[in-house]
Amino acid sequence: DTGVSQDPRHKITKRGQNVTFRCDPISEHNRLYWYRQTLGQGPEFLTYFQNEAQLEKSRLLSDRFSAERPKGSFSTLEIQRTEQGDSAMYLCASSPAGSQPQHFGDGTRLSIL
Amino acid sequence: AQSVSQHNHHVILSEAASLELGCNYSYGGTVNLFWYVQYPGQHLQLLLKYFSGDPLVKGIKGFEAEFIKSKFSFNLRKPSVQWSDTAEYFCAVNYLYGGSQGNLIFGKGTKLSVKP
Repeated sequence: DTGVSQDPRHKITKRGQNVTFRCDPISEHNRLYWYRQTLGQGPEFLTYFQNEAQLEKSRLLSDRFSAERPKGSFSTLEIQRTEQGDSAMYLCASSPAGSQPQHFGDGTRLSIL
Repeated sequence: AQSVSQHNHHVILSEAASLELGCNYSYGGTVNLFWYVQYPGQHLQLLLKYFSGDPLVKGIKGFEAEFIKSKFSFNLRKPSVQWSDTAEYFCAVNYLYGGSQGNLIFGKGTKLSVKP
């Protein structure tokens, strides 16, 4: 069990730029989740996949955000035209199909200048 | 709306003191309940979980939690804390209804500081 891997660990970018994050789940975990965490808050759900199908999206996921999991393995989360409010820690988690718990990665910290 | 409340933002204890962290969730039928811990500089790790059965669940490192359905609560306890328990603790709920079966709803977290 190599754990959930996220890349990069830190991303600093200027407002208006596009950014993409990658998540590699625990192998054989069918479900993959994205969360966002800001200072002083718990993680907030963004979206989740079962295999390659995106099954649920939060209202937090504006049209500037898009997530993919093309082959049912790794996933990418892209934010277009970044805004100051996008500064946060973006967490990825995975779990076996039909059961919990979710295993979390270290996260990608996004800072918008 | 689905929500999770953690009663304490920051708790400071001396080693060997007993710990109880409160967690309440909004009414919503069948739920799965979790406590996660985040040690400084590390990722979220599962402490314990409740799906069904005995409402008193035991987790790692001597932690336990009790599910009280009538109070919509899932409080975390440890009889004697250690300095190494210094961390942030998150309660999380998975509501198993309304088509929303994937995501966890987290509380805001409780920072625990244990003085040696």
